[in-house]
Amino acid sequence: QKEVEQNSGPLSVPEGAIASLNCTYSDRGSQSFFWYRQYSGKSPELIMSIYSNGDKEDGRFTAQLNKASQYVSLLIRDSQPSDSATYLCAVSGGSYIPTFGRGTSLIVHP
Amino acid sequence: SAVISQKPSRDICQRGTSLTIQCQVDSQVTMMFWYRQQPGQSLTLIATANQGSEATYESGFVIDKFPISRPNLTFSTLTVSNMSPEDSSIYLCSAGTSWDEQFFGPGTRLTVL
Repeated sequence: QKEVEQNSGPLSVPEGAIASLNCTYSDRGSQSFFWYRQYSGKSPELIMSIYSNGDKEDGRFTAQLNKASQYVSLLIRDSQPSDSATYLCAVSGGSYIPTFGRGTSLIVHP
Repeated sequence: SAVISQKPSRDICQRGTSLTIQCQVDSQVTMMFWYRQQPGQSLTLIATANQGSEATYESGFVIDKFPISRPNLTFSTLTVSNMSPEDSSIYLCSAGTSWDEQFFGPGTRLTVL
């Protein structure tokens, strides 16, 4: 069974700091990796996707993928209170439907 | 990206009744899925809605309890049948043009009394 593991948190960081969210996965055949942001009471929103080893940057967000170690991370630079949400990691491989982790709750305090 | 709407946004239902949730996408998509999310939990995939054929259900979910229709590439329904309080949850529709990216509807919050 494919597993995607995340620390449930909450991860608390001060405003302006870097928030680091981590995710590990069990299936070595995984090829696609996604980060979703979910505000309380709202539906998940895709914020980043990454397919190759290394870093992918989009504004204040950087996704990092290491397939050899089977982990993917999301860095949020200059964290803002509006970044406070649950971040879901999702992993898929080939024709597999993405498997979601349980999410990490992030709190950015002023 | 696709814009997805769901109806109803919320409902309170009596035990033993059924509720049909509608999911509408603003463009043709290959894949449509139905998820359930319990409070504070992650997403649990119920089934893949296949256009023109029977849905593909995940382990623990059966057609008699969660019948799904998908008559075309932009629309799907999920029915929660013979409801019990354990069915209280948020039900989410998602859609995408590939396996790799999914966009979610706003969800339907269901409470069963």
